[in-house]
This record gives sequence, structure tokens and C-alpha cells, in this order.
Amino acid sequence: ETGVTQTPRHLVMGMTNKKSLKCEQHLGHNAMYWYKQSAKKPLELMFVYSLEERVENNSVPSRFSPECPNSSHLFLHLHTLQPEDSALYLCASSQDWENSYEQYFGPGTRLTVT
Amino acid sequence: KNQVEQSPQSLIILEGKNCTLQCNYTVSPFSNLRWYKQDTGRGPVSLTIMTFSENTKSNGRYTATLDADTKQSSLHITASQLSDSASYICVVKYSGAGSYQLTFGKGTKLSVIP
Repeated sequence: ETGVTQTPRHLVMGMTNKKSLKCEQHLGHNAMYWYKQSAKKPLELMFVYSLEERVENNSVPSRFSPECPNSSHLFLHLHTLQPEDSALYLCASSQDWENSYEQYFGPGTRLTVT
Repeated sequence: KNQVEQSPQSLIILEGKNCTLQCNYTVSPFSNLRWYKQDTGRGPVSLTIMTFSENTKSNGRYTATLDADTKQSSLHITASQLSDSASYICVVKYSGAGSYQLTFGKGTKLSVIP
């Protein structure tokens, strides 16, 4: 439960603001992920990092900018967001990204863009 | 196009009763299928993972089945408890060459009432 932490848990921001979401994993994993979860839609994979290198980028708008300074930390920098970007943003980690290792999710950041 | 369809979208059952959730997928080639439980306000937690050769796998009161020929999976919950109230998400992994890919279902929202 506490293996993956996310801050803040809730965030309200205007469309002109710049903010960052933080994720930290204490599991010694090599892969970290950002997902977007909107109401009544499946989870959408946004970014995958393996050993601090980005290995997947699913056509995410440039107003979302990830950063992985080391294998334990992952950030999602936000700027000039749109109201439709309001969602639950989930971070996850796994032993590695290529095999069928379980992904451990954080509690998420509930983002509201006004 | 790889898709995962879950049914029903939502379900209400009495405490102590059994229920079965369905997951149909078109992902090919198939690698594995995982069921997640997501409590409100929390990230998903893995319940079971099934590979091509596995037909049934249990985790306490949760039993998952897989029919790889018909591309169907089910999650059976026995003697439901109030704490089973959550969204249950089916996730199928693609094993083809190229980028890492998971396809998520929209989930089934289960409510267990006294």
C-alpha cells in the first residue's frame, strides 16, 4: 500500500498555471509509469520509464512533461492544461517493463483544471 | 484493434451472495490477463494474473477463469463482503513485437450492500 506514494493527492489549477505531480516508489523497481484515469474510460498509459529512460510515449500532448531523475522518483510537469485534462493521475512501478511483472499503483492525484 | 470489454458496467449485490464479472478481449497475440481491484480514491491492486496455459486461478474468495480460445475471462467472487465494493478492472497484455502495450477495460463497479 505504501510502496508507491504520490503527492499531492488533490490539485486544483487554472489553465495558465504550472504545477508538478510527484511519485516515489520504495520497492526497488526499475520501471515507472504515468496513467490517466477519466470517468467511465479505461486507464490510459501516458509514459513509461525504464532505468530512468523513457521507453513509451503514447501520443501525449506536450503540455504534459515527464521527468525521471532516478529510478525511485517520477514527476509529471503540467502547464497550460485544458479542462478535459481533469482526471485521476496514477503512478505505478514494476520490477521491469518488458515482462509480466505486477504493477504497483500509487493512490493517485485527483486533478481539476478550472 | 485491441479491445477489452467488461460487463456488466455496474452491479449491486447483497452481502454474502456470489457474483461473476465478465471480460472479453480481442488482443492478439495474447500474453497475459490480469484482474485488478480499485477501491474508491485508491490505485488498482492486482488480484490475479493468468497466462495462456492457465484456465483457473484463485486468490481467496476471488477465482478467475480464462478461455483463451474464445478470448473470455471471468472473475467470480464468493460470499461477498462489504469490503468487496470497488471497481474491478480487466487488463490484457499484448505479446507482439514492438512497443509494450496493455489494454485496459473500463471496469465493473461492484456495490455490496448489507
